[in-house]
Amino acid sequence: DIQMTQSPSTVSASIGDRVNITCRASQTIAVWLAWYQHKPGQAPNLLIYRASLLQGGVPSRFRGSGSGTEFTLTINSLQPDDFATYYCQQYDSYPITFGQGTRLDI
Amino acid sequence: QVQLVESGGGVVHPGRSLRLSCAASGFIFDNYEMHWVRQSPGKGLEWVSMISHDGNTKKYAEFVEGRVTISRDNSKNTLFLQVDSLRIEDTAVFYCARGLSGSLFYFDYWGQGTLLTVSS
Repeated sequence: DIQMTQSPSTVSASIGDRVNITCRASQTIAVWLAWYQHKPGQAPNLLIYRASLLQGGVPSRFRGSGSGTEFTLTINSLQPDDFATYYCQQYDSYPITFGQGTRLDI
Repeated sequence: QVQLVESGGGVVHPGRSLRLSCAASGFIFDNYEMHWVRQSPGKGLEWVSMISHDGNTKKYAEFVEGRVTISRDNSKNTLFLQVDSLRIEDTAVFYCARGLSGSLFYFDYWGQGTLLTVSS
């Protein structure tokens, strides 16, 4: 199985800050990586797919980058609605696996 | 608009069985692969199972293989997950999700989830 490791596990930031979340795969996954935002009691929300492509309707302050084994989600100019848990997901091979999550706190 | 609505969760004793459902609307259901993903209390997201658009191909995570059966009824736009021999550690919110293909699948729409609690 491909292990996905996110860092940090928790990050504290303020409105207007820039935040970087890293996701590392235990083996190369090319660009087959997605990022999700998840708030308690809600459905997860797709932000980025194919490592860097922005899902329709997602604000442009979200940016994905990377390939191979190392990936980054950057959130520019944090807004109040951005405080949530973020997950990466590899879809290179079965079983599909997620990172353990990064909680973004105020 | 695309909607996925899960149902069928509840409190169940260990060893029993349960079938979860996911009603889909707002898109052509039989054009898409569908998936179940779970989140155990205090933990992250875990992919559980996938079924192809025509129901002919099914995949399972190793931790549920042999106890879970995924199925779909394209005439009723509904996805199912049968879970047998329930264990305490099966307690989770179960989400259904629509898959879009790359190498495998990522998920562009998710339901709100249904909570399964396994407890004696």
